Amino acid sequence: NAGVTQTPKFQVLKTGQSMTLQCAQDMNHEYMSWYRQDPGMGLRLIHYSVGAGITDQGEVPNGYNVSRSTTEDFPLRLLSAAPSQTSVYFCASSSPSQTNTEAFFGQGTRLTVV
Amino acid sequence: KQEVTQIPAALSVPEGENLVLNCSFTDSAIYNLQWFRQDPGKGLTSLLLIQSSQREQTSGRLNASLDKSSGRSTLYIAASQPGDSATYLCAANRGSTLGRLYFGRGTQLTVWP
Repeated sequence: NAGVTQTPKFQVLKTGQSMTLQCAQDMNHEYMSWYRQDPGMGLRLIHYSVGAGITDQGEVPNGYNVSRSTTEDFPLRLLSAAPSQTSVYFCASSSPSQTNTEAFFGQGTRLTVV
Repeated sequence: KQEVTQIPAALSVPEGENLVLNCSFTDSAIYNLQWFRQDPGKGLTSLLLIQSSQREQTSGRLNASLDKSSGRSTLYIAASQPGDSATYLCAANRGSTLGRLYFGRGTQLTVWP
């Protein structure tokens, strides 16, 4: 049982480049979400999904796109990378169970935009 | 919007002390509250989940309590060890948007031998 898997672990981009951060979970969780973690700011929600085909914006969605075509995968796309997007990105999943909504996180993707 | 605050921001203690980390939230309509541990350069590891209908949860030397009416949760660490050194984060969600977590900025704990 792998849990939540993020790839890549590290990435360096040039300003203006685009890329996709991958996130996959094998727990059949309906909820998936993306956060970014910056020093002194804590974790902030970028986008989240409550099921395949359904996504919504979080606190800091600008510059990012998501889609959810399957229950397992929730990729995050950076359309045109900017230095302000230098951060550590975490993907999480959870189940909308009435008795257990515990969230599980991936190991993170450390992104540097130069 | 749910605002989550953690106090203190940093804590440095000698080994063996019993510790209390505090978490407060503004919206009492939470569905659950979850405590995480984060080691430097690593991801978040779930420690304890407290459902809104519960008052506390225990796992080994860790005990977390929840008081919805006062908007507070505490994480109690008994007999602290150097291996407990990490950042501890609390996160709350709301019943209407279970997939979203609102995080505090964490308490950075250092336990020295």
